Amino acid sequence: EDKVVQSPLSLVVHEGDTVTLNCSYEVTNFRSLLWYKQEKKAPTFLFMLTSSGIEKKSGRLSSILDKKELFSILNITATQTGDSAIYLCAVDGGAQKLVFGQGTRLTINP
Amino acid sequence: SQTIHQWPATLVQPVGSPLSLECTVEGTSNPNLYWYRQAAGRGLQLLFYSVGIGQISSEVPQNLSASRPQDRQFILSSKKLLLSDSGFYLCAWSVPDGGIAGELFFGEGSRLTVL
Repeated sequence: EDKVVQSPLSLVVHEGDTVTLNCSYEVTNFRSLLWYKQEKKAPTFLFMLTSSGIEKKSGRLSSILDKKELFSILNITATQTGDSAIYLCAVDGGAQKLVFGQGTRLTINP
Repeated sequence: SQTIHQWPATLVQPVGSPLSLECTVEGTSNPNLYWYRQAAGRGLQLLFYSVGIGQISSEVPQNLSASRPQDRQFILSSKKLLLSDSGFYLCAWSVPDGGIAGELFFGEGSRLTVL
C-alpha cells in the first residue's frame, strides 16, 4: 500500500524565518510527487516533481526530490504571514490516484 | 477554461439522515474524478475515484457510496449518516494520462457536521 509521511505535523515560526518541510514516501510504482498549499478550502497546486536532484522554484518557495532516499523537501525562505497554511504532499503511484500525507500546519507569527 | 463546482458548501445533518454531495466539472471531457475527506486540519483521505461513467473505485469501506451518472458529474451519498462522517469533503478532477493521476484540481469543499 502506498504511503506518504510528512513532518513536522505542525510548525510555528516568526516572519522572516526559513522553513523546511519534509515528505517521505513508499510507493510501488512512483510517477511523481506533488506539493499543495491549503489556506482555507481548496488546496492549490505548488509543484510537481518527477526527477531527482532538479530543484523547482517559485519565488520564495522551492522543492527538490530524492528518488533514491524516497523523500522531498519544500523550502520557504523569508516567510510571510500569508505563508500560513497547511502544506500537503502527495504521491502518484501510477494507479490514477494521488495518496496524500497528513499535512504540515505552518503558522507564521508577525 | 475548466471549472469545478461542488455543493452544498456547508450542511448540518442529524445522525441517520441521508447525504448527497454533488460535484460537476466544466470545460473538459472524460476527466478522472475523486472524492477526498479531510479531518480537521489534517491530510486528505481518498474515498472514491472514477476513471469513467459508471466506473467507481472505493478506497475505504464505510457507509458512503459514490456514483458517476454523467461524464462530468460525481455524487457522494449515504443512506444513513454516522457521527464519524463529519468532516470536510473535497471533490477533485484531473486529466487522465496513461495511468498517471497528474495534477488534481480541487473544488471549494463541503463541510459536513453530523449531530
